[in-house]
Amino acid sequence: DTAVSQTPKYLVTQMGNDKSIKCEQNLGHDTMYWYKQDSKKFLKIMFSYNNKELIINETVPNRFSPKSPDKAHLNLHINSLELGDSAVYFCASSQEGYSGGFSYNEQFFGPGTRLTVL
Amino acid sequence: GQNIDQPTEMTATEGAIVQINCTYQTSGFNGLFWYQQHAGEAPTFLSYNVLDGLEEKGRFSSFLSRSKGYSYLLLKELQMKDSASYLCAVRDSNYQLIWGAGTKLIIKP
Repeated sequence: DTAVSQTPKYLVTQMGNDKSIKCEQNLGHDTMYWYKQDSKKFLKIMFSYNNKELIINETVPNRFSPKSPDKAHLNLHINSLELGDSAVYFCASSQEGYSGGFSYNEQFFGPGTRLTVL
Repeated sequence: GQNIDQPTEMTATEGAIVQINCTYQTSGFNGLFWYQQHAGEAPTFLSYNVLDGLEEKGRFSSFLSRSKGYSYLLLKELQMKDSASYLCAVRDSNYQLIWGAGTKLIIKP
């Protein structure tokens, strides 16, 4: 049973194209995320989304847009792809948990999509 | 600005103990996480600290000092499968996770 799944796993495309990456979680979580992990391995949050609120990292170009048809899905659309968009994109989901009276959210990551822009 | 610092790479011997440090400067603090990421795979959750002190979970322990902006992950009885990157992440005042670049741990026989 895959908790968080992404498709495709690999995506190779030309500069200027438009592409989408799909993400689905079957954990019943309220919140989903998109991360970009570049060649230096920094994980950068791009978006976090639940059924109430979309939080956008202000450094993300508006060529990137999340689309959520329902609570279990958060797809990522990228327009006019650029060379610098090449990276691994991770989808994740989380649910608020509690430990010792404090809340936290453990994030569950998908397997990642390696995007290469030529 | 917000910053998470970890060593880039560490090497240790199978069966030994290794400590991976993390220092942070963030706008607010709502907990610190450690994740493990094997090469080519997704990060997986290891631990969460929000109060000062040591949290032990099997061979792995995580320590937090909020006054010093400091945490470490302690791995005991190292196994070859522990070769991975270890990511430190802090949840800030907006409950957003700020991630470090990770520490690549190499285990030698």
